[in-house]
Amino acid sequence: SQTIHQWPATLVQPVGSPLSLECTVEGTSNPNLYWYRQAAGRGLQLLFYSVGIGQISSEVPQNLSASRPQDRQFILSSKKLLLSDSGFYLCAWARQWARDTGELFFGEGSRLTVL
Amino acid sequence: GENVEQHPSTLSVQEGDSAVIKCTYSDSASNYFPWYKQELGKRPQLIIDIRSNVGEKKDQRIAVTLNKTAKHFSLHITETQPEDSAVYFCAASIAGRRALTFGSGTRLQVQP
Repeated sequence: SQTIHQWPATLVQPVGSPLSLECTVEGTSNPNLYWYRQAAGRGLQLLFYSVGIGQISSEVPQNLSASRPQDRQFILSSKKLLLSDSGFYLCAWARQWARDTGELFFGEGSRLTVL
Repeated sequence: GENVEQHPSTLSVQEGDSAVIKCTYSDSASNYFPWYKQELGKRPQLIIDIRSNVGEKKDQRIAVTLNKTAKHFSLHITETQPEDSAVYFCAASIAGRRALTFGSGTRLQVQP
């Protein structure tokens, strides 16, 4: 069966510090990968998605970036965090669009607090 | 791009009553409409979905209806139970071509 893991689960970072969140998927190949952000009491905002290694699409301009160095690894980064970057970050995977059932499978989430 | 509006933002019902959450979408090309449930501090999980070739789908106490002409879809929960308390998100996409766009969420509280 497929599983998705992301880490760290929680982190508190000062403004201006760097960020790295990691996500890995097991039990499937060539998945579509996504990073969503959920601000407190808000909806799920799509940040990045990837349909293959090295292929990243950005949905919103910001100081965050994403990379996919391996087929089942997705990384969210920032060089300098802002207060507004605080939130609950969710990694998700879905089957390739060519065989898409539509369902997104989410990781456990990473709660980031920027002080 | 797609824009999904969701109402209400909060909903409180008595146990056993029905709950209805409504969403509208902007892109007439969207053809896949899932609903996710997120319990406090946990990841969202799919509870039901519907595709544009179907007007209604039911799974036990939950059902979803879709009106393509009006571009809106709704989640119906009957005989609500305290364990139904959670945040519910609607979403829309073009299956196989575009990532899901989510609504802002509805916090459902079922009072025992």
